[in-house]
Amino acid sequence: KAGVTQTPRYLIKTRGQQVTLSCSPISGHRSVSWYQQTPGQGLQFLFEYFSETQRNKGNFPGRFSGRQFSNSRSEMNVSTLELGDSALYLCASSPGQGPNSPLHFGNGTRLTVT
Amino acid sequence: AQSVTQLGSHVSVSEGALVLLRCNYSSSVPPYLFWYVQYPNQGLQLLLKYTSAATLVKGINGFEAEFKKSETSFHLTKPSAHMSDAAEYFCAVIPNSGYSTLTFGKGTMLLVSP
Repeated sequence: KAGVTQTPRYLIKTRGQQVTLSCSPISGHRSVSWYQQTPGQGLQFLFEYFSETQRNKGNFPGRFSGRQFSNSRSEMNVSTLELGDSALYLCASSPGQGPNSPLHFGNGTRLTVT
Repeated sequence: AQSVTQLGSHVSVSEGALVLLRCNYSSSVPPYLFWYVQYPNQGLQLLLKYTSAATLVKGINGFEAEFKKSETSFHLTKPSAHMSDAAEYFCAVIPNSGYSTLTFGKGTMLLVSP
């Protein structure tokens, strides 16, 4: 079974631009979550989607948005990029929700904002 | 809010020595606890999880963790370290059982010397 696939792996953008990151979950998984990883703040939760509905949202500004499609694939968008948005963005999928459906992570998209 | 604290940002051991990575949680009720490992340039891989079943949890790659309510701890151990165990380890908790959202500790980098 293929794992969680994130594209692209690396991305370089300029301040003020916007970016869209893509995530394809494991086949059959209906829940997708996004996390931001930085050296200073560590791993922080962004969003959780289940069956195309945003179920939970972290404490990030409105510039960060996401969505999930009917095939469970997900995208996240960051508008008006800031230098501090440079991070590794990790997507994770699970069959359902809750602690008995642990998250399976992709290898991430490393975003650099210059 | 539930959280986890990992003691020691770096732990160094010799190959063949005991590995002990410390994690304490803050919770008034038994939480759902996890250990994840991250190798360089990769995503997170689930090592093991505690979901209120047996207090001694066995995971992959020879790792295990013991849930101790009296000490609010969930330390990760491995009897004999291998060079391939060098990675960053994250303890995490699910604060709300209705979701899959994880709150992570700051991580502990495990260094293994020959």
